[in-house]
Amino acid sequence: DIQMTQSPSSLSASVGDRVTISCQASQDITNYLNWYQQKPGKAPKLLIYDASNLETGVPLRFSGSGSGTDFTFSISSLQPEDVATYYCQHSANLPLTFGGGTKVEI
Amino acid sequence: QVQLQESGPGLVKPSQTLSLTCTVSGGSISSGSYYWSWIRQPAGKGLEWIGRIDTSGSTNYNPSLKSRVTMSVDTSKNELSLKLSSVTAADTAVYYCARENRGAIDIWGQGTMVTVSS
Repeated sequence: DIQMTQSPSSLSASVGDRVTISCQASQDITNYLNWYQQKPGKAPKLLIYDASNLETGVPLRFSGSGSGTDFTFSISSLQPEDVATYYCQHSANLPLTFGGGTKVEI
Repeated sequence: QVQLQESGPGLVKPSQTLSLTCTVSGGSISSGSYYWSWIRQPAGKGLEWIGRIDTSGSTNYNPSLKSRVTMSVDTSKNELSLKLSSVTAADTAVYYCARENRGAIDIWGQGTMVTVSS
């Protein structure tokens, strides 16, 4: 199985700050990397697919980059409604696996 | 807009079989080239992919659960089902059904909490 390692596991930032989350795959996954946002008590929501493509309807302050084994997710200007846990997930092969999550607080 | 809704018992006894149904509304489960996945999340923990099925009934299961998992699809009812046998407390989690679109999980059900306890 491909292991996905996220860092940090949690972070606290101020409204308006730029926030960056890292995700590292245990082997090359080219660009088969997706990012999700999960708010408490809710199902995850797809934000970014194929490393850098913004899902329809997702605000432009969210972005993703990277390829191979190292990926980055960013929020350009943190908003109160962005408080959530963020997960990366690879889709290079089966089984699909997720990172451990990054909890973002204000 | 396609929506997914999980249903099933919220409490299952140890060693028994967990059975869940996912009803797809707002569109035909057979439309498009999608996989339909089950994913679970223990309280306060991360996400675990259980497996997936396509509308022909072809399945892929997580090797960690493969010996205990059975998935099926009923296209006439627009429903998916999950069965997990020989459950233990470690299987206590929120279970999600979801649509997989080229590797990304683009639609999720709201999830259903299943507790394994006597």
